[in-house]
Amino acid sequence: DTEVTQTPKHLVMGMTNKKSLKCEQHMGHRAMYWYKQKAKKPPELMFVYSYEKLSINESVPSRFSPECPNSSLLNLHLHALQPEDSALYLCASSQDGKGRYQETQYFGPGTRLLVL
Amino acid sequence: AQSVAQPEDQVNVAEGNPLTVKCTYSVSGNPYLFWYVQYPNRGLQFLLKYITGDNLVKGSYGFEAEFNKSQTSFHLKKPSALVSDSALYFCAVRINNNDMRFGAGTRLTVKP
Repeated sequence: DTEVTQTPKHLVMGMTNKKSLKCEQHMGHRAMYWYKQKAKKPPELMFVYSYEKLSINESVPSRFSPECPNSSLLNLHLHALQPEDSALYLCASSQDGKGRYQETQYFGPGTRLLVL
Repeated sequence: AQSVAQPEDQVNVAEGNPLTVKCTYSVSGNPYLFWYVQYPNRGLQFLLKYITGDNLVKGSYGFEAEFNKSQTSFHLKKPSALVSDSALYFCAVRINNNDMRFGAGTRLTVKP
């Protein structure tokens, strides 16, 4: 089973709201990722967790706050977002992300976020 | 810098014809190359990858890709296209332990 699930599928929020995106995988993977994808553009890496520790933060604004409560779950907390943050947010996972260039990243279906 | 390029924004083929989606890479050291497909309003689905070994890599849904070191290319191919293959295709390269860089994407349209 190579399934990564994400909730919610769609989210509309105002600029003063606080919301969270959730991602879950049960493949025993120890690396999990958040990507942002604008329309008709490739995904852009935001954060990487390896063994529940944040290993990469690609200079993402602090209004995005990731959290990895355990090896199966990854959250992205959102606060005071801007309309330009509207995008498809993709979660992915891979085996462990430690020196394994050949690891495949498996993606979830994404959460489509609209910030009004 | 480690990167991939997809020179075509759009590829149109007739159903039943062979298809090719092009990708070239610029990598120092050994390239680790991937192809993903994205259907409308969906996440990315893994198709295949090249790590080492045979230059012809076979993947999901009848797709294959040919690694060509001299031409620094990793083109995606399928002998007979289906209408259901219409989607957005991304080539990607692993640039370090965790980071993967994607090409701009190629929209494939297969017409009946």
